[in-house]
Amino acid sequence: GAGVSQSPRYKVAKRGQDVALRCDPISGHVSLFWYQQALGQGPEFLTYFQNEAQLDKSGLPSDRFFAERPEGSVSTLKIQRTQQEDSAVYLCASSSGGTSGGGEQFFGPGTRLTVL
Amino acid sequence: AQSVTQPDIHITVSEGASLELRCNYSYGATPYLFWYVQSPGQGLQLLLKYFSGDTLVQGIKGFEAEFKRSQSSFNLRKPSVHWSDAAEYFCAVGAWAGSYQLTFGKGTKLSVIP
Repeated sequence: GAGVSQSPRYKVAKRGQDVALRCDPISGHVSLFWYQQALGQGPEFLTYFQNEAQLDKSGLPSDRFFAERPEGSVSTLKIQRTQQEDSAVYLCASSSGGTSGGGEQFFGPGTRLTVL
Repeated sequence: AQSVTQPDIHITVSEGASLELRCNYSYGATPYLFWYVQSPGQGLQLLLKYFSGDTLVQGIKGFEAEFKRSQSSFNLRKPSVHWSDAAEYFCAVGAWAGSYQLTFGKGTKLSVIP
């Protein structure tokens, strides 16, 4: 596609519900990143995929957060038993994985998650 | 670990005035440096990046930034601001830490007075 797309754009969940957020990266991009952006803050790294391999998940805040990219393209970020502190915008980014800093990261519009 | 500081939370300038947004980073080696802009409800758009070479880099929309190693700074400038530049601006550093994850500052919100 022309850019990174994410769905849904907005998600409201009751505390304790499970949610799944989808990311469609730019076609052919090897690298895929998830970031969490709390209100009034800069994005913070969650996890990184190279093709289908999850090589870095050091930013995931708890074991309630799980991400996958089974075929090396579309990725899903799942949050189990959502808590109010999970409310944030979740951003997905993809890059070609070039040698210069991993290549430019292109960001999607984000999914705004509100947990009531 | 790398870090980024954007000292100014909110800046207001008049349309047509010049702009400088400050960014300081902490990293042991030469980092990859980026400036992104985020409009309300939108994702992040890359304005410019520094990987190596010329320390003055040109970006889109008339923005430029200068990498100063001695000051650990990468300030963003624009000679004449347009009302459409009102947005949130984020400085980021990219460095290998298991991946080329980006570490962002907290952002500077720019308001433009007509």
